Amino acid sequence: DVKVTQSSRYLVKRTGEKVFLECVQDMDHENMFWYRQDPGLGLRLIYFSYDVKMKEKGDIPEGYSVSREKKERFSLILESASTNQTSMYLCASSSGGQVYEQYFGPGTRLTVT
Amino acid sequence: KQEVTQIPAALSVPEGENLVLNCSFTDSAIYNLQWFRQDPGKGLTSLLLIQSSQREQTSGRLNASLDKSSGRSTLYIAASQPGDSATYLCAVRPKGGGANSKLTFGKGITLSVRP
Repeated sequence: DVKVTQSSRYLVKRTGEKVFLECVQDMDHENMFWYRQDPGLGLRLIYFSYDVKMKEKGDIPEGYSVSREKKERFSLILESASTNQTSMYLCASSSGGQVYEQYFGPGTRLTVT
Repeated sequence: KQEVTQIPAALSVPEGENLVLNCSFTDSAIYNLQWFRQDPGKGLTSLLLIQSSQREQTSGRLNASLDKSSGRSTLYIAASQPGDSATYLCAVRPKGGGANSKLTFGKGITLSVRP
């Protein structure tokens, strides 16, 4: 079974702090994604990566950056956390082939106070 | 721009009912469509994936169909149980862009199955 893990289930940070969210997948997938999910807004793509050290902006990249130094690991960085970044953050991965089925991690509920 | 709509936003049914969840999309040039389940406060679990060349996929009590020409997919749940209570999301992958293309998600249907 594909497994996508995220470093924390719950996280509370203060405004202005630098925040790191980590995601690891164990299926040698080429593609990895970071989404945020908010009530009424649905899932929104922040960044995705289709190869090591490669990244592309999603729909809402402002205030975020990412790092992918190894194939299995994709990190989301909030350079200076703000209260409007309080949200559920979801990581996903998929193979690069024809099937392209996305698998999600359990999510990180981030609260910025 | 692709738009994915799931109506209604919420549904409540008694246990044992067979039910259909709808998903519609505006651009029929899709590569595949995926149905997910999400429990409160959790991540998404993939239920079924239908390639554009397929008409339906089945897994246990779940059956998903795809009609590309009309821009519709349905998720059929047979003999619903309280454990089926969750939010169900559909997502489409567009053609083109190869493996780098992004999914477009609907906002989901929150299903409640009453005992």
